[in-house]
Amino acid sequence: TQLLEQSPQFLSIQEGENLTVYCNSSSVFSSLQWYRQEPGEGPVLLVTVVTGGEVKKLKRLTFQFGDARKDSSLHITAAQPGDTGLYLCAGFSGAGSYQLTFGKGTKLSVIP
Amino acid sequence: DTEVTQTPKHLVMGMTNKKSLKCEQHMGHRAMYWYKQKAKKPPELMFVYSYEKLSINESVPSRFSPECPNSSLLNLHLHALQPEDSALYLCASSHAGLGSNQPQHFGDGTRLSIL
Repeated sequence: TQLLEQSPQFLSIQEGENLTVYCNSSSVFSSLQWYRQEPGEGPVLLVTVVTGGEVKKLKRLTFQFGDARKDSSLHITAAQPGDTGLYLCAGFSGAGSYQLTFGKGTKLSVIP
Repeated sequence: DTEVTQTPKHLVMGMTNKKSLKCEQHMGHRAMYWYKQKAKKPPELMFVYSYEKLSINESVPSRFSPECPNSSLLNLHLHALQPEDSALYLCASSHAGLGSNQPQHFGDGTRLSIL
């Protein structure tokens, strides 16, 4: 079983602070997705990373895929209350894999 | 706004009822998925349809019956559910077929409560 370990599990910060969420595995993933999910709604796809060492930016969010494609991070600059939600990383363990492996998620609360 | 539309948004049913969940996408995606999500847990895969054929059944009880009438629609028929089946049921789709590793796009889900 391929596992994705996310940390921290919970994070509560003040508006304007920076934060980083980590997604780690001992296995190689062919691609990795980050989602944000708000209560009562489905996960919303934020980004897909496929190349080792890849960095993608989405406004104040920066996503990085590790060189060995075993880990990823999400960095948020100057967090805002609208960033509050559950952040999930999910990945495919190899070409031809149908099973999207999810991390357990990081619940982020940004306090005004 | 999600491009995967699920109805109804909420459903309350008794254990003897028969109901259906519906999912629709018009992105031309050829793989569609049903997931079950319990509170504070990540989604768990139930079924995968690839090119309108059932490709994966993750050992789901027969009281859940999926159907894919065409490439845009996916249904989940429910019958004789148990209280532990109460959860958020998510539909997702991806561009190419099974095993293509394409990112999945999720609907907002149906919140199901079994009395």
